[in-house]
Amino acid sequence: DTEVTQTPKHLVMGMTNKKSLKCEQHMGHRAMYWYKQKAKKPPELMFVYSYEKLSINESVPSRFSPECPNSSLLNLHLHALQPEDSALYLCASSLLGTGINTEAFFGQGTRLTVV
Amino acid sequence: SQQGEEDPQALSIQEGENATMNCSYKTSINNLQWYRQNSGRGLVHLILIRSNEREKHSGRLRVTLDTSKKSSSLLITASRAADTASYFCATDVSGGYQKVTFGTGTKLQVIP
Repeated sequence: DTEVTQTPKHLVMGMTNKKSLKCEQHMGHRAMYWYKQKAKKPPELMFVYSYEKLSINESVPSRFSPECPNSSLLNLHLHALQPEDSALYLCASSLLGTGINTEAFFGQGTRLTVV
Repeated sequence: SQQGEEDPQALSIQEGENATMNCSYKTSINNLQWYRQNSGRGLVHLILIRSNEREKHSGRLRVTLDTSKKSSSLLITASRAADTASYFCATDVSGGYQKVTFGTGTKLQVIP
């Protein structure tokens, strides 16, 4: 199984709503990532989890709250978002280790619209 | 922050022609990777080239890396309509993937 599964595929939420994005992989990868991608732009790293611990936060606003309940699951909790947060949110996973050469496996993304 | 700049930003070719995309980056890297993205969905890994490699092939893909010029190119030979997608280079400065940065991307259209 080389899939990263993201749910939901599409999400429309109001600025006062609370919602969560979910990501799951069963490849035994111990690194998991959240990326944000605006239209016609490259993906930008938001968070990295290593061995279920948050290892990188790229100065993301606190209205985005990541969670890694176990080695297969990654959540992104959303609260009080702004319309400019509308984007494609991508989850990825990879092997973990320093000095190794590896690629990431990406999910299909959640297209988020904040109204 | 973006590490890679890709050129051209957009490319339109006829089916059967070759497509070449270039990527330039700023700092020393551990490896460079190329990804494809269809219609704003998930990215698919195409090929990884290590910093001590100069050329790599995978099927119809050929990637070159020139670390002295901090540049890489992706060649897709005998293009097909299904190759229509955006292509991104991604540079790994640390090894172990965690600090990979994506380039600006090239949007390729292959006309049947």
